Amino acid sequence: AQTVTQSQPEMSVQEAETVTLSCTYDTSESDYYLFWYKQPPSRQMILVIRQEAYKQQNATENRFSVNFQKAAKSFSLKISDSQLGDAAMYFCAYREYGNKLVFGAGTILRVKS
Amino acid sequence: GAVVSQHPSWVICKSGTSVKIECRSLDFQATTMFWYRQFPKQSLMLMATSNEGSKATYEQGVEKDKFLINHASLTLSTLTVTSAHPEDSSFYICSANRASNQPQHFGDGTRLSIL
Repeated sequence: AQTVTQSQPEMSVQEAETVTLSCTYDTSESDYYLFWYKQPPSRQMILVIRQEAYKQQNATENRFSVNFQKAAKSFSLKISDSQLGDAAMYFCAYREYGNKLVFGAGTILRVKS
Repeated sequence: GAVVSQHPSWVICKSGTSVKIECRSLDFQATTMFWYRQFPKQSLMLMATSNEGSKATYEQGVEKDKFLINHASLTLSTLTVTSAHPEDSSFYICSANRASNQPQHFGDGTRLSIL
């Protein structure tokens, strides 16, 4: 079974600074999707960014970008110009056959003002 | 706006009662929906895949008779926690895809507290 590992239980960043959240995964598939979801205290699951494995170009959504290293099975999230509203739990997720999502353990991001 | 609606958002009930949670896709048909459970400060754990018109597929370790799933229409899946006990208290979230190449949209979740 596929596994997703987030090795940073908690991270802190100063407002306006940049932070990178790590994620590695294990799969034998060649084509798949990877996602980062944000879960604020309201517990809503909000899609931050997604990456299709067959695309070599790293996905970008405004202040959020990923560093996708397929060979290394690494999928890190970079948040630039961090804002107080970015504080949340962040989950890395792998989508396997049948559209099931496998989530990492999550990283709590704290933003300091 | 929300594309997946989940109801109720919070329920408190006595031990031994059954609780039904609804998950609706608002503007698309979903042949497949997913049910997750989440404990505080932990990750989402997939409980089951709800299939329209057929039996749900449960993940290993999930009690089928405890967590009944019904997907009677293309826009509605329900999760019934039968004879609920305090250990069933948790946050339950559903999700659905518009299409197989689209990301999952999540409901806002249901906080279940069993006294």
